[in-house]
Amino acid sequence: AQTVTQSQPEMSVQEAETVTLSCTYDTSESDYYLFWYKQPPSRQMILVIRQEAYKQQNATENRFSVNFQKAAKSFSLKISDSQLGDAAMYFCAYSGGTYKYIFGTGTRLKVLA
Amino acid sequence: DAGITQSPRHKVTETGTPVTLRCHQTENHRYMYWYRQDPGHGLRLIHYSYGVKDTDKGEVSDGYSVSRSKTEDFLLTLESATSSQTSVYFCAISEGQGAADTQYFGPGTRLTVL
Repeated sequence: AQTVTQSQPEMSVQEAETVTLSCTYDTSESDYYLFWYKQPPSRQMILVIRQEAYKQQNATENRFSVNFQKAAKSFSLKISDSQLGDAAMYFCAYSGGTYKYIFGTGTRLKVLA
Repeated sequence: DAGITQSPRHKVTETGTPVTLRCHQTENHRYMYWYRQDPGHGLRLIHYSYGVKDTDKGEVSDGYSVSRSKTEDFLLTLESATSSQTSVYFCAISEGQGAADTQYFGPGTRLTVL
């Protein structure tokens, strides 16, 4: 069975600095997709970025980028120039052959002014 | 904004009472999902639907039932609520059910069972 692990329950970053959130997963499938979702205090789940496993190029969305290491089954999220509005829970998610999302337990990011 | 609303947004109920949560979408997406979110567990799939009257179980379906009589509405029912069902419930939609299809989430419903 597929699993997704986020080993950092909480992280802190100084405003304007860079922070990396870790995510590892386990799967025997070769074709799958990985996602990072942000959940601010409003509770809304917001898609941050998505990565196709067949693409070697790391996905990027403005200040958000991923480091996708397929062989290591690692999918970390880098947030550059952190802003106060980036403070939230961040969830890593996997979608593969069963077409059902599997979520990690989340990392709470605090941004310090 | 994927046009997803959930009602109610908050509910407090007592053990043993039936509860129905509603998810409504305005964009005729075929696939709809119900998740629950609990500390230390992330989001876990309860049930999903792949069309009108077509539903299937997810990871944590015990104690829940669903119905979908119209494309736009997906109902989650707790027949007899228990304290272990205190949680935040999210509805999600996707264009398809392929692994590539991004899921978009509603605003969530906080349910407290006393």
